[in-house]
Order: sequence, then structure tokens, then C-alpha cells
Amino acid sequence: DTAVSQTPKYLVTQMGNDKSIKCEQNLGHDTMYWYKQDSKKFLKIMFSYNNKELIINETVPNRFSPKSPDKAHLNLHINSLELGDSAVYFCASSQLGVGEAFFGQGTRLTVV
Amino acid sequence: GQQVMQIPQYQHVQEGEDFTTYCNSSTTLSNIQWYKQRPGGHPVFLIQLVKSGEVKKQKRLTFQFGEAKKNSSLHITATQTTDVGTYFCAPFTGTASKLTFGTGTRLQVTL
Repeated sequence: DTAVSQTPKYLVTQMGNDKSIKCEQNLGHDTMYWYKQDSKKFLKIMFSYNNKELIINETVPNRFSPKSPDKAHLNLHINSLELGDSAVYFCASSQLGVGEAFFGQGTRLTVV
Repeated sequence: GQQVMQIPQYQHVQEGEDFTTYCNSSTTLSNIQWYKQRPGGHPVFLIQLVKSGEVKKQKRLTFQFGEAKKNSSLHITATQTTDVGTYFCAPFTGTASKLTFGTGTRLQVTL
């Protein structure tokens, strides 16, 4: 059983489209995150949720909207996609926001 | 927010040589974690350091937390091709639910 799973693994879409990435964790963790990894491999935190509540929003454009229907899920919806949104997006989870983080396999988003 | 700097950005070594990456923060940290990301993979947790001056070993990997809790290092003895990847420190300042990462050091190992 995969601890943190993201879908889809690859996403190719045109500029201006809206897309969603789904994330689920079965570890019973209370904190979930979204990270963006650009071509230079920098890992930047985008959002952090604790028990379905938004804790961190790191100056991400409001075209990005996370949704946490329950503690085990944190989805990322992106409106009006731009070329600069092309990156690998990682979902992760941890306990109490301080412990070891477990990452999903990543979603490689390519905007053309 | 500003990312914590890791040096070097990139290192290419021959198999058998040693490797060290450094993570430097301008603020005092509560603890620090280290992660490894293989090419095409996702970050995987290696270790967490909590105490000032702490040193932990995992086989050929030695992790150190500075006395002032502002810097940390990861040293790999006698690198192998399986060590290839990017190593990230994840400094924790105490703000719960905010796990941020250093700029990373990419290690390339050739025979």
C-alpha cells in the first residue's frame, strides 16, 4: 500500500486550462503539504494543512487553490494555467507538522 | 520566504571519494532533517538532528548539527554510485506545519 499517493503522475495541458492534482495519505498524519520543484530542483513549500485547516500559504498566486475534504486528502486545483507553472508538484504528509515527511511520487506538469 | 543555502550546489566525485554538503542558516534552528532525492524520484527522509553538537551515523553517512544550531553537514565516506542524487536539508525553526527545504546539493558519482 502506497503511503502517499498522487494522481496523475504526468499532466500535459495547454495554457489557460484548469487542472487538478489529487493526493491521499493512509498514514493517519494530521499535516499535509504541497511543494513545487522547479527545473533547478529547488523544493518550495506552497501550502500546508493541519487537520483540514490551511496553515501556510507561501505567496502562491490565487490561481492555485488547495482543498482538503478530510484529513487524508489534499487536492490542488490550478486555474488558468501558465507556462511558468510547469514543474513537478509533490504532496507530502507528516505528523504534527514536525516529524518525518513522507512524499508522494510527484506530478510532472507541463504547460504548452 | 528565503531558502536556506546549501553548499556546494553540485559536486561530481569519483567512486570511493568522500563528499560533504553543508547547510547554513542565519537563524537558530529547533531541529534539522535531511532528505535524499534520487534522479526522477521523490525526497526520502534520512535523519533528524535535534541536539546542539549532535552527530549521527548511518553506515557511510555522518550527520552533524552545529553547536549553535545554525548549521549542519552531511558527510559520505567512500561514495558509491548508489549515492547519486540531490541531498536536501530541511531546517525547522519551530513554526509547526512549516517544513521548508534548503537549496539542495546534487551529487554525481562516476566510476
